[in-house]
Amino acid sequence: GQNIDQPTEMTATEGAIVQINCTYQTSGFNGLFWYQQHAGEAPTFLSYNVLDGLEEKGRFSSFLSRSKGYSYLLLKELQMKDSASYLCAVSTQDDKIIFGKGTRLHILP
Amino acid sequence: EAGVTQFPSHSVIEKGQTVTLRCDPISGHDNLYWYRRVMGKEIKFLLHFVKESKQDESGMPNNRFLAERTGGTYSTLKVQPAELEDSGVYFCASSPWTANTEAFFGQGTRLTVV
Repeated sequence: GQNIDQPTEMTATEGAIVQINCTYQTSGFNGLFWYQQHAGEAPTFLSYNVLDGLEEKGRFSSFLSRSKGYSYLLLKELQMKDSASYLCAVSTQDDKIIFGKGTRLHILP
Repeated sequence: EAGVTQFPSHSVIEKGQTVTLRCDPISGHDNLYWYRRVMGKEIKFLLHFVKESKQDESGMPNNRFLAERTGGTYSTLKVQPAELEDSGVYFCASSPWTANTEAFFGQGTRLTVV
């Protein structure tokens, strides 16, 4: 079956660094997405990984290990506006996008 | 460039009524997806169109849900008759010819069945 696991909630302090992990077991793999979703809004795209390694984009970085079925999203220099849910999603070989349940990130001043 | 648009943004209907949700994807995007987020749960896949054809509708919960995509442009999702458990936020997303690129999401339609 299809399974994507990520922590339900995390708390971090403004200015700090936080890593959100995601593990997956899916029927085929054609890439992994991270989305950010603020309450009441649609998910917005953050990153896409299809090859192993680290992709850096400003304060956000995403890492993928296909052999381990593992990814993480790294957020640096946290700001209050980073308080949101972060969704890990996998594109499967039959072109579906399967979402995890999301990690709600709380930023403390 | 206009993004993915959905309407209505909110809909409150009584159990047993019919509701039709509409999604206008980004122009030129062949792939169109419908997702649903029920309160407190993950965003679940409903179905996938490639142009006007249903590529995958394995996520549709039951035959009360009917999705169409006229001429490969906008899509509608009809719920008839609506039940209480259909309440949630329905998201539409579109992407270019291959799914291995960013999917752009609409703002969602919040459906409340009372």
